[in-house]
Amino acid sequence: EIVLTQSPAILSLSPGERATLSCRASQSVSSYLAWYQQKPGQAPRLLIYDASNRATGIPARFSGSGSGTDFTLTISSLEPEDFAVYYCQQRGNWPRTFGQGTKVDIK
Amino acid sequence: VQVLESGGGLVQPGGSLRLSCVASGFTFSRSAMSWVRQAPGKGLEWVSTISGNGESTYYADSMKGRFTISRDNSKNTLNLQINSLSAEDTAVYYCAKTTGSSWYEDHWGQGTLVTVSS
Repeated sequence: EIVLTQSPAILSLSPGERATLSCRASQSVSSYLAWYQQKPGQAPRLLIYDASNRATGIPARFSGSGSGTDFTLTISSLEPEDFAVYYCQQRGNWPRTFGQGTKVDIK
Repeated sequence: VQVLESGGGLVQPGGSLRLSCVASGFTFSRSAMSWVRQAPGKGLEWVSTISGNGESTYYADSMKGRFTISRDNSKNTLNLQINSLSAEDTAVYYCAKTTGSSWYEDHWGQGTLVTVSS
């Protein structure tokens, strides 16, 4: 199965700063990668699909890039509601797999 | 779009459980559906996905043989049968609708907690 490795594990930033999250796949998944946001006590929310497409209703400050094995989620300017855990997920091959998550917390 | 899980609870090791998910607000039979779980304090773990017509099913390697996903399109219901439960299966189990042809999980329920303990 494809292993997704996210870095860093924890990202401590202040509101207004830029966040850059990384997801690396153990083999190519083409552009078949998604990003999810999860807040405490809530279900995950789809942010980005197929590497760079924002899901419905997702603000423009969220952007995704990459292909093959290296992917990036960028939050251009952190809002208070963006402090959460972010997961990447691949659909390039079955079984689907998630990364272990990156927690973005307030510095 | 709404998906609502049920069927969680406390189960003894070695026992079985059937989780259900009722969906509304979209054409159920046209959407693949997934189960994803999350152990307490841990990350997300994809469990299984079933195609809209139920003919294709996919499982995480570690769950093949003990988990069975199924659906009843006449009742807009998704099911997950779990056998031979162990403490490692303790988790919140989420039901999720997937997007069009790419099958990403785009609408999630609030989850149902399964606790395996004696």
